[in-house]
Amino acid sequence: DADVTQTPRNRITKTGKRIMLECSQTKGHDRMYWYRQDPGLGLRLIYYSFDVKDINKGEISDGYSVSRQAQAKFSLSLESAIPNQTALYFCATSAPSQPQHFGDGTRLSIL
Amino acid sequence: GESVGLHLPTLSVQEGDNSIINCAYSNSASDYFIWYKQESGKGPQFIIDIRSNMDKRQGQRVTVLLNKTVKHLSLQIAATQPGDSAVYFCAENILNDYKLSFGAGTTVTVRA
Repeated sequence: DADVTQTPRNRITKTGKRIMLECSQTKGHDRMYWYRQDPGLGLRLIYYSFDVKDINKGEISDGYSVSRQAQAKFSLSLESAIPNQTALYFCATSAPSQPQHFGDGTRLSIL
Repeated sequence: GESVGLHLPTLSVQEGDNSIINCAYSNSASDYFIWYKQESGKGPQFIIDIRSNMDKRQGQRVTVLLNKTVKHLSLQIAATQPGDSAVYFCAENILNDYKLSFGAGTTVTVRA
């Protein structure tokens, strides 16, 4: 079983729709992250959370929101999706001073 | 702009040869570096890491070299295999900080 599970794996939707991407982990890590990956670019950080009551913006948070429902769950929402949010989205977890571990991603297409 | 970058976007390697993937970083305060491998349809997978108090670290078939003087990082893969075909990313971090900065990646293709 995967340690970091993302759902859905693929999603196609229309401009203006609300989208929620889910992430759950069994690694027991306090820290969770959401990244976006575009072709030819490295991963860019959207939001991160160091524990259940902690939410922080990353470098590209505009147009996104997150919710840390429990230590093991961290969801990313697009309140009103737009085409330039078409990308691969990755969730990651880590313990302090340890490498981040990634899920297998959600491929999101916004028409 | 990016603080971490790879010198070449693509690398073609003959099966059995050694691969060297290079990465330059610009933040002299970075003290922790990670190499990730990303296969098609999957998330980045941790390969090896190195802290700034070291200049070399070895894993199974992989070696990471760190040159802090010129802010350069490299990943060496010994006896490259078809399963090594993937995109490789370097990432830098200030230890225990949240921010992991990624380069754009090098696509490695292994020729049979």
